[in-house]
Amino acid sequence: AQKVTQAQTEISVVEKEDVTLDCVYETRDTTYYLFWYKQPPSGELVFLIRRNSFDEQNEISGRYSWNFQKSTSSFNFTITASQVVDSAVYFCALSRLSGYALNFGKGTSLLVTP
Amino acid sequence: DSGVTQTPKHLITATGQRVTLRCSPRSGDLSVYWYQQSLDQGLQFLIQYYNGEERAKGNILERFSAQQFPDLHSELNLSSLELGDSALYFCASSVGTGVSGNTIYFGEGSWLTVV
Repeated sequence: AQKVTQAQTEISVVEKEDVTLDCVYETRDTTYYLFWYKQPPSGELVFLIRRNSFDEQNEISGRYSWNFQKSTSSFNFTITASQVVDSAVYFCALSRLSGYALNFGKGTSLLVTP
Repeated sequence: DSGVTQTPKHLITATGQRVTLRCSPRSGDLSVYWYQQSLDQGLQFLIQYYNGEERAKGNILERFSAQQFPDLHSELNLSSLELGDSALYFCASSVGTGVSGNTIYFGEGSWLTVV
């Protein structure tokens, strides 16, 4: 079975602060995919990143960066210089490499205040 | 805008009733997925279709059914509705089937409230 734990239920930061959202996963598969999605207040789920287990290289996209550590089964997401528009619920998800379903964590609600 | 279109955006209905949620995938996408997001269960995979055929089933209740039509749009039918079925129902789509090699894009969801 696969499981994703996002221990931080809610995080509140002031604009321009850096913030890291934690994601810890469990799987018996040796190969798998990890994802992050953003759900702004409007409700839609926005794809941010997909990473396969073969590739442990960290990724940076603008103010977003992701730290994948297979040794600790973690796939953490950092927002640098946070902005009010970053306020949303962020979901980490896991899937089998040959799977069809995304197994989502419970999400972390991020509030960025001016 | 992901390109996945869901209707209706909001729906209020009574217990015992039946509703149909509709999804149009992104242009060129052959796979459609349905997910349910509720406060207690979080985001859960329901079912997936690829080019009209059911490919995977998740935690979908027997009262729920889905299909994908030749024009690739999909419908999720929810019957004998209960209060606990109140949730945000997402449709998602991808080019191919399954997660491997595919990015899965979600629509804006259909809010269902059962009263």
